[in-house]
Amino acid sequence: QKEVEQNSGPLSVPEGAIASLNCTYSDRGSQSFFWYRQYSGKSPELIMSIYSNGDKEDGRFTAQLNKASQYVSLLIRDSQPSDSATYLCAVKYTNAGKSTFGDGTTLTVKP
Amino acid sequence: GAVVSQHPSWVICKSGTSVKIECRSLDFQATTMFWYRQFPKQSLMLMATSNEGSKATYEQGVEKDKFLINHASLTLSTLTVTSAHPEDSSFYICSARDPGQGGNEQYFGPGTRLTVT
Repeated sequence: QKEVEQNSGPLSVPEGAIASLNCTYSDRGSQSFFWYRQYSGKSPELIMSIYSNGDKEDGRFTAQLNKASQYVSLLIRDSQPSDSATYLCAVKYTNAGKSTFGDGTTLTVKP
Repeated sequence: GAVVSQHPSWVICKSGTSVKIECRSLDFQATTMFWYRQFPKQSLMLMATSNEGSKATYEQGVEKDKFLINHASLTLSTLTVTSAHPEDSSFYICSARDPGQGGNEQYFGPGTRLTVT
């Protein structure tokens, strides 16, 4: 079992819809959770971080964390074609430690 | 967010030669940097963790004598691919941890695309 698991997709949603990306992790002691966006041929870009249970909103993005279920998700409201990318979930056990990345979910937003 | 740069952005070299890639944190001091490799349509693979002033920690299966990492200052880490071969052709990406953000968040450089002919 991988430490961080994501559905590989592809996930396809129409423009204007809500895209829901999911991630589960195996280490119950994990403390920090991140979502990165990676466009094809480019490096990952940090878009959200979340450390406490509940929701965290930033513009059209909402990260949701449920440590009891070992589950973190990313919602993208009013999806745009420019949101089409691979989204990587990353989990850290300690502040100073390395992040463990999932394999990513590819999102396609169709006009 | 914090800015991390890499140089060069792409490089073509002949088999058997060595290539050095630089990673710099531009607006913060990074005690820890990470080096990743990514093959086309594959996931990120962590190669090593680079700590300023000490030896790098390599992931299992990564040859430390082939991928030399030096983190000589708080803003610069270098990766040298020695005796490169075509199978080393890949997208190499560095990442730096910004201690000013609680030490949690990692920011990626733009990557270096290496082609070995």
